[in-house]
Amino acid sequence: EVQLMESGGGLVQPGGSLRLSCAASGFTFSSYWMSWVRQAPGMGLEWVANIKQDGSEKNYVDSAKGRFTISRDNAKNSLYLQMNSLRAEDTAVYYCAREEYSSFWSNYYYYMDVWGKGTTVTVSS
Amino acid sequence: EIVMTQSPATLSVSPGERVTLTCRASQSISSNLAWYQQKPGQAPRLLIYGASTRATGFPARFSGSGSGTEFILTINSLQSEDFAVYYCQHYNNWPPKYTFGQGTKLEIK
Repeated sequence: EVQLMESGGGLVQPGGSLRLSCAASGFTFSSYWMSWVRQAPGMGLEWVANIKQDGSEKNYVDSAKGRFTISRDNAKNSLYLQMNSLRAEDTAVYYCAREEYSSFWSNYYYYMDVWGKGTTVTVSS
Repeated sequence: EIVMTQSPATLSVSPGERVTLTCRASQSISSNLAWYQQKPGQAPRLLIYGASTRATGFPARFSGSGSGTEFILTINSLQSEDFAVYYCQHYNNWPPKYTFGQGTKLEIK
């Protein structure tokens, strides 16, 4: 069964750090781009970051640049999100997601086809 | 930057009805659009990709259409399990980022 399972969430003070992990199983992890997506309480979905199969390319939402670092360990089938200088507005459920794409003629359409259940991060004093 | 706008924010409907949810892009995005369903306390679930291809596990009463800047998610004969929040999503190649709409909540009338 294809699965993603996040861990590492918790309560942290403003300015603190946290490292989230996502364990993948049931598919060839090293073949996929992977993303982190978050959802603040009562709010919509916000993409945070993604990483290429070999880790050579990483992209971030502006609010995460310079504070968050996405990484992966293909030998361990694991995705990570190191979050530093945390702010109250980072409070959210963080999901890891597998990226997939479909192609039609020369067009490529990207989406997230597998999601974990999420881990909750609360930034509060 | 491309902005995705969904309407309405909330839709109150009765089981058995047909509903249409709209997602508009601030500029043309071809068919580079996906829809997700999210139920309370659960992770989002891929519903439609490439604007009109239904994901595995969803019945034929769900359909997606549109291209360019306007996209429609249609649900025929609403079932109780369809009441959820629906998000549209676009992937921009440059700068590379995923953008979600703000969501449409489908609630029981």
